[in-house]
Amino acid sequence: AQSVAQPEDQVNVAEGNPLTVKCTYSVSGNPYLFWYVQYPNRGLQFLLKYITGDNLVKGSYGFEAEFNKSQTSFHLKKPSALVSDSALYFCAVRDTTSGTYKYIFGTGTRLKVLA
Amino acid sequence: EAGVAQSPRYKIIEKRQSVAFWCNPISGHATLYWYQQILGQGPKLLIQFQNNGVVDDSQLPKDRFSAERLKGVDSTLKIQPAKLEDSAVYLCASSLDRQGGTDTQYFGPGTRLTVL
Repeated sequence: AQSVAQPEDQVNVAEGNPLTVKCTYSVSGNPYLFWYVQYPNRGLQFLLKYITGDNLVKGSYGFEAEFNKSQTSFHLKKPSALVSDSALYFCAVRDTTSGTYKYIFGTGTRLKVLA
Repeated sequence: EAGVAQSPRYKIIEKRQSVAFWCNPISGHATLYWYQQILGQGPKLLIQFQNNGVVDDSQLPKDRFSAERLKGVDSTLKIQPAKLEDSAVYLCASSLDRQGGTDTQYFGPGTRLTVL
């Protein structure tokens, strides 16, 4: 079965420092991977996705993610964190095996950027 | 381009009452999703439509939840009767899905339901 795991419930980082939010996946076939961010009382906002091609994917708000096939990971990164990046981050994989192409979400990681 | 619209934004009801949520997807998007998000958890897919047909409703509690997308555009999700454990945010999302599942899913702002 397709799945994603976000091993950290919360990540704390100082403003200006680099940040990493981890995601690992388990899929059969080629993975379609996504990152979303959720601010309080808001829906999920799309950040970036990996479908194929370059392993380093650049997205919105200065975020990027690195696809690593050997480690089955798709970690979200940003070179310099802002306090405004504090939010809930979700990794997702799209199920390409069942024919439904439904999205399977991780449990989320709360990022807290400290001033 | 307008995003996914949902209404109402907030709803408070007593248990055993009924409630309905409305969603209007991004224009031209074939696939529409309803999710339930319990506080602090990831979204859980309730039902997925492709145009006006149901693709996946395996996690929809069919004894109390129903959803329709009659003309392949907007959709309504209903709960009847509501239980305390239905308190959650109900998210609607849509994607273009021309082929192959590579298209991005976009979310509406959600409806926060509180069942007392």
